[in-house]
Amino acid sequence: DAGITQSPRHKVTETGTPVTLRCHQTENHRYMYWYRQDPGHGLRLIHYSYGVKDTDKGEVSDGYSVSRSKTEDFLLTLESATSSQTSVYFCAIRPSSGTDTQYFGPGTRLTVL
Amino acid sequence: QQQVKQSPQSLIVQKGGISIINCAYENTAFDYFPWYQQFPGKGPALLIAIRPDVSEKKEGRFTISFNKSAKQFSLHIMDSQPGDSATYFCAASKGSGAGSYQLTFGKGTKLSVIP
Repeated sequence: DAGITQSPRHKVTETGTPVTLRCHQTENHRYMYWYRQDPGHGLRLIHYSYGVKDTDKGEVSDGYSVSRSKTEDFLLTLESATSSQTSVYFCAIRPSSGTDTQYFGPGTRLTVL
Repeated sequence: QQQVKQSPQSLIVQKGGISIINCAYENTAFDYFPWYQQFPGKGPALLIAIRPDVSEKKEGRFTISFNKSAKQFSLHIMDSQPGDSATYFCAASKGSGAGSYQLTFGKGTKLSVIP
């Protein structure tokens, strides 16, 4: 699991409430990513980070924001959750600037009612 | 626009048989092609990866075949076992330019290996 933990692992929330998912890594990797996985869509990139306070948007960033105030933590926030954001969310890290490979965490299953 | 197309969506193979999953890509700037294996309730795990300077890479029972001119690559699982039953994703990324090192995934293939 490349030293990646995600919390919570499961969450049920209601439409309109804010939700924050946490990705924590123990190996000081610079690059971190948030994906969502939905049936029939594979994995789609939401946001990524290339350093503390350095983040950028991915393919499906609408409705999501991220923050990275320290190397080990990358937070994904749904400001006002909607049912379309029901999904499984995966965090990934890329070990170094010269490596393409990404390693994934165990995922968070989020249900928005 | 889907940049990586994966087929089939699902595949049933008998134990001992060969499983073949195909992917096609559109962006000629892609230069890294990994395959991920995912078991239910787990995150995707890197299985094997290839770069376009080789046409084939083998690791144990898993082989990637790569056809640069056709913009296609495939995963072959030899002597398939019930423990190989999982969802497999192909992906692609490029090492330079805008969006570098961002993985674009296929939609996945659910493989079932039956005894």
